[in-house]
Amino acid sequence: QQQVKQSPQSLIVQKGGISIINCAYENTAFDYFPWYQQFPGKGPALLIAIRPDVSEKKEGRFTISFNKSAKQFSLHIMDSQPGDSATYFCASSGGSYIPTFGRGTSLIVHP
Amino acid sequence: DAGVTQSPTHLIKTRGQQVTLRCSPISGHKSVSWYQQVLGQGPQFIFQYYEKEERGRGNFPDRFSARQFPNYSSELNVNALLLGDSALYLCASSLAPTDSYEQYFGPGTRLTVT
Repeated sequence: QQQVKQSPQSLIVQKGGISIINCAYENTAFDYFPWYQQFPGKGPALLIAIRPDVSEKKEGRFTISFNKSAKQFSLHIMDSQPGDSATYFCASSGGSYIPTFGRGTSLIVHP
Repeated sequence: DAGVTQSPTHLIKTRGQQVTLRCSPISGHKSVSWYQQVLGQGPQFIFQYYEKEERGRGNFPDRFSARQFPNYSSELNVNALLLGDSALYLCASSLAPTDSYEQYFGPGTRLTVT
């Protein structure tokens, strides 16, 4: 049972463009929605996270948009750079504090 | 400061064998979690340990076991290896289970079962 559905599976963007990755969750008990960035040969690293009491959170070029009624949230990467090329995972967690991860999106930013 | 370290980096085993993977958390972190990441998928939670006690377990068979030592390092053991156990095994540490929202991952151990 996949509780967090992530799309697209892969994404190719030109340098300077906007990268958008979407996730949908099923469990209404989830109350924490992080995004992780993973480079080849490395473990995932927390990028940005949001709680359902706000609809948007911005940190630098990274923005999370959250739609509680639709049970969806998305990651926007503004002014995408080649160094942003990585795999991005959305996740959701609740009272157990253990995140349930999406399947991941492989992002390639062309120079 | 050193991050989460894992050993070995890579491992090749044969079906039916047993394997032990090791993890050292960030200094001061007392909670360690283990994840399995199959190629092309997100990490799946296996175990969480805190103060040497199991605090959570994912949907994995009893062939998987773990323990945490007094210095908060941890081992993951997998018995009777199957081809499907081939994956990247990640360890993550946090100050406490309630801080798992901000957990730090190690680079992982790549296990190949032939």
